[in-house]
Amino acid sequence: GAGVSQSPSNKVTEKGKDVELRCDPISGHTALYWYRQSLGQGLEFLIYFQGNSAPDKSGLPSDRFSAERTGGSVSTLTIQRTQQEDSAVYLCASSYSRGNTEAFFGQGTRLTVV
Amino acid sequence: KQEVTQIPAALSVPEGENLVLNCSFTDSAIYNLQWFRQDPGKGLTSLLLIQSSQREQTSGRLNASLDKSSGRSTLYIAASQPGDSATYLCAVIRYSGGGADGLTFGKGTHLIIQP
Repeated sequence: GAGVSQSPSNKVTEKGKDVELRCDPISGHTALYWYRQSLGQGLEFLIYFQGNSAPDKSGLPSDRFSAERTGGSVSTLTIQRTQQEDSAVYLCASSYSRGNTEAFFGQGTRLTVV
Repeated sequence: KQEVTQIPAALSVPEGENLVLNCSFTDSAIYNLQWFRQDPGKGLTSLLLIQSSQREQTSGRLNASLDKSSGRSTLYIAASQPGDSATYLCAVIRYSGGGADGLTFGKGTHLIIQP
């Protein structure tokens, strides 16, 4: 596609349920990032994939959070046993790794845990 | 560890003014630097990318400069308009192994242009 696509755009889930958020990066982009943004707050780094290298998971807030990137393209962020404090907008971005490394963001998934 | 600071945190000016947003970073070994804007409830929109070998980039009324040695970038907005009201974010693209290796964001400048 022309841009970074995230789905779903909105997700309401009950506390304790698992959720999966999807990110389709721009074709050919080797770098993929996940961030989250709570209401009125700045961006919080979660995880970064770079080509075939081991991902940088240093931003994941707990072991309930995990992410994978299959075939160097689509990425899924999974949150297990959701808590109310997980409510936020989850943003995905992708870029090339060399030369023009302009990063492009998707419109995000707004997660609400009730 | 790379840290990015943006000053001011918030700015409110009358329409028509020229203004400067500041971004500083602690590690000058960067690959590139990128400026974004974020409108309320929206994702981030890329404004300008400055490659580390460049000193500035221009797009319309926006001009971004980069001084790697001093760890600074500025975003200049000419003839500001109410539609420029948004949060402006600076992101440093880290350098490792000859290529880009992750983004580090500042906390942003919340800009309001008064009609």
